[in-house]
Amino acid sequence: DTAVSQTPKYLVTQMGNDKSIKCEQNLGHDTMYWYKQDSKKFLKIMFSYNNKELIINETVPNRFSPKSPDKAHLNLHINSLELGDSAVYFCASSQAPTSSYEQYFGPGTRLTVT
Amino acid sequence: DQQVKQNSPSLSVQEGRISILNCDYTNSMFDYFLWYKKYPAEGPTFLISISSIKDKNEDGRFTVFLNKSAKHLSLHIVPSQPGDSAVYFCAATKQTSGSRLTFGEGTQLTVNP
Repeated sequence: DTAVSQTPKYLVTQMGNDKSIKCEQNLGHDTMYWYKQDSKKFLKIMFSYNNKELIINETVPNRFSPKSPDKAHLNLHINSLELGDSAVYFCASSQAPTSSYEQYFGPGTRLTVT
Repeated sequence: DQQVKQNSPSLSVQEGRISILNCDYTNSMFDYFLWYKKYPAEGPTFLISISSIKDKNEDGRFTVFLNKSAKHLSLHIVPSQPGDSAVYFCAATKQTSGSRLTFGEGTQLTVNP
């Protein structure tokens, strides 16, 4: 009965490959997010969707493309992977974009690009 | 330009004593602040929050203090327990920005038995 789940937990791949990370939440939340935690440990928001609509799109290379098939799922597809994409990617969800600032995080996906 | 800073990468305290974690911010537009706790191989979990209209919020052993003039907040844990050992992240947002949270880099708290 995990609230926010991500797959896979670990992902090792070579430069130039295309990969996807999946996220699902069973909390009934309207808003979902992708964060990147880099080697300096900062958590930085990448994207946010509210009811399948993109509401936050930070300065992220367009090799990163989020997709929300429904409000319980937010997937992240990354094209032409680069060494600098190595990081831990966290999915999160919240009740609504403005009614609650409390976000619930998944366990993270550690991506290693070789 | 890091708008939320946690200048202490680590803190070690004895069980039963007080843990004080600090956070500074530079953006005066921030009006809501949160603390998250993170264990290894897990995602961050929400701990406590405070609005800028308050200067203190308490929840059990956890208290957050906000000093708006100094753009500083702190998290007090009393008494500290070994299970509190984790990385603590400070986060801030401005309520009109919707759900955009800006995080600090975290402080590793170790509570020694």
